[in-house]
Amino acid sequence: EVQLLESGGGLVQPGGSLRLSCAASGFTFSSYAMSWVRQAPEKGLEWVSAISGSGHSTYYADSVKGRFTISRDNSKNTLYLQMNSLRAEDTAVYYCAKDIVVVPDAGSKFDYWGQGTLVTVSS
Amino acid sequence: DIQMTQSPSSLSASVGDRVTITCRASQSIGSYLNWYQQKPGKAPKLLIYAASSLQSGVPSRFSGSGSGTDFTLTISSLQPEDFATYYCQQSYSTRYTFGQGTKLEIK
Repeated sequence: EVQLLESGGGLVQPGGSLRLSCAASGFTFSSYAMSWVRQAPEKGLEWVSAISGSGHSTYYADSVKGRFTISRDNSKNTLYLQMNSLRAEDTAVYYCAKDIVVVPDAGSKFDYWGQGTLVTVSS
Repeated sequence: DIQMTQSPSSLSASVGDRVTITCRASQSIGSYLNWYQQKPGKAPKLLIYAASSLQSGVPSRFSGSGSGTDFTLTISSLQPEDFATYYCQQSYSTRYTFGQGTKLEIK
């Protein structure tokens, strides 16, 4: 059974940093690209970042480029999102999502999602 | 980035109704369009991929169609568990984008 378990969320001041983790199980982690998708309170879904199965290729939304870094440790079956220079508008539930392809491309789809972790940026 | 626009933003319907939700892309995306369902407090669930392919385990009352810039999600006969928010998502560009969502409510 595929499981994705996010952790690391919490309350952080504007300008601060936070690292999210997503522990994966039930599938061959290195064989699939992974993404982070967020949802601000009472808002829609926003794709944040993606990473290839090897970790060599990364992709970012303009809203987080230069501030967030996605990475993965395939030996630990874990996905990460390092978030720096956090802003109030980064407040959201952050989901990790498994793709069906090894490198993000036009055939991508998110077939499994974690339960999400809440990040609140406030003073 | 490719903009995805859904209509309507909200919809009231009754059990048994046939419902259609529309998604329009700001440029042609071929058939690289996915649909997700999200219930309150839960993670999204993949329903339809590649515009018209039904994800494994999803009831056949859900169907998708379209290509290019215009797409539709149809629920043939609404069931109580279908009241949720629906999102389209393009995967033509790896800078993935979602529609703003359509909230389906009970009339």
